[in-house]
Amino acid sequence: QVQLVESGGGAVQPGKSLRLSCVASGLSFGSFAMHWVRQAPGKGLEWVAFISYDGNKEFYAESVEGRFTISRDNSKNMLFLQMNSLRVEDTAVYYCGNSPGVYGAIDYWGQGTPVTVSS
Amino acid sequence: EIVMTQSPVSLSVSLGERVSLSCRASHLVISNLAWYQQKPGQPPRLLISGASTRAVGISPRFSGSGSGTEFTLTISNVQSEDVATYYCQQYNNWPPYTFGQGTKLEIK
Repeated sequence: QVQLVESGGGAVQPGKSLRLSCVASGLSFGSFAMHWVRQAPGKGLEWVAFISYDGNKEFYAESVEGRFTISRDNSKNMLFLQMNSLRVEDTAVYYCGNSPGVYGAIDYWGQGTPVTVSS
Repeated sequence: EIVMTQSPVSLSVSLGERVSLSCRASHLVISNLAWYQQKPGQPPRLLISGASTRAVGISPRFSGSGSGTEFTLTISNVQSEDVATYYCQQYNNWPPYTFGQGTKLEIK
């Protein structure tokens, strides 16, 4: 079955950086686009970033544009989110998920990795 | 940016009832609309894509309808395991891929 497992979350101070990872199994990773979606404590879902199956297209939410970078390594079935200049409002559980392409729902989701930004 | 508005924010129903959850888009999204279920402490799970196509393994008690800007998720014969928050999401105009604020379903 499809498994997506995130890691790399933790507690950091404002202005610092974190790199999240997501390892995929049970699917042909290089054939799927990938997303990062976050959920602040007690809040709803917020889409963060998208990367095409081949890594040639990237899209970002306005709230993270210029600070976060999504990337992937298809040879290792891995997805990444480099988060720089972190803010308190970036505190959330971060989920990775796969989709068929730009026009596609998020088929499978990982369990999430928590990120806490606090001084 | 397309704004997705869900109603009601929360609802409480009796076991066995049929319930309809609404999702409205601020602009046309055609049928590029998904519904997700999120149970407490769990990640979201895809229920419906393409406005009306059930995802693999999803009970036929869940059905989606609508197109354009108005969409509905209907749950028939509500069970205790359906207690969750339900989100709609458009993937027609991006970025961003926008979610509704969610509808929380409880059992009376």
